[in-house]
Amino acid sequence: GAGVSQSPSNKVTEKGKDVELRCDPISGHTALYWYRQSLGQGLEFLIYFQGNSAPDKSGLPSDRFSAERTGGSVSTLTIQRTQQEDSAVYLCASSSYGKEAFFGQGTRLTVV
Amino acid sequence: AQSVTQPDIHITVSEGASLELRCNYSYGATPYLFWYVQSPGQGLQLLLKYFSGDTLVQGIKGFEAEFKRSQSSFNLRKPSVHWSDAAEYFCAVGAVGSGGGADGLTFGKGTHLIIQP
Repeated sequence: GAGVSQSPSNKVTEKGKDVELRCDPISGHTALYWYRQSLGQGLEFLIYFQGNSAPDKSGLPSDRFSAERTGGSVSTLTIQRTQQEDSAVYLCASSSYGKEAFFGQGTRLTVV
Repeated sequence: AQSVTQPDIHITVSEGASLELRCNYSYGATPYLFWYVQSPGQGLQLLLKYFSGDTLVQGIKGFEAEFKRSQSSFNLRKPSVHWSDAAEYFCAVGAVGSGGGADGLTFGKGTHLIIQP
């Protein structure tokens, strides 16, 4: 597509439920990143994919968070047993090697 | 590990006045440097980037930034701001050779720009 697409744009979930966030990167971009932006905070790096592999998972906040990428394209970020502190905007970005990252509009997650 | 500091959380500037947003970074070698802007309810848009070469970089919307290795800084400037420039501005550093990729970009906490009429 023309840009990075994220779905849903907004998600309200009950505490303890699992959620899946989806990211469609720009076609042909090999690198894909997930960031989290909490209210009043900067951007927190979560995970990076090169192709389908994730060489750096160090940013995932806990073992409740996982991510996968299939076919070198779509990625899903899964949060299990959501907690209120998981409420944030989750941003996805993609890039070609050696080029800058382009960001999606984000998914606003609210855990109630 | 790389890090970015944006010392100013909020900056208020009168419309038509000049602007400078500060950014200092820590990185073991020459980094890739970026400025992104986030308008309310919007995603992040790249304003400009420094990869190599001329240390004064021109970006979109009339913005420019200067890479100063001796000061580990990459300050963003605009000669005359417009009301539409009100937004959150993020400085970011990335690893050379990855386009800001291998470890992901490291962002500063952002500077909130307010434009006074």
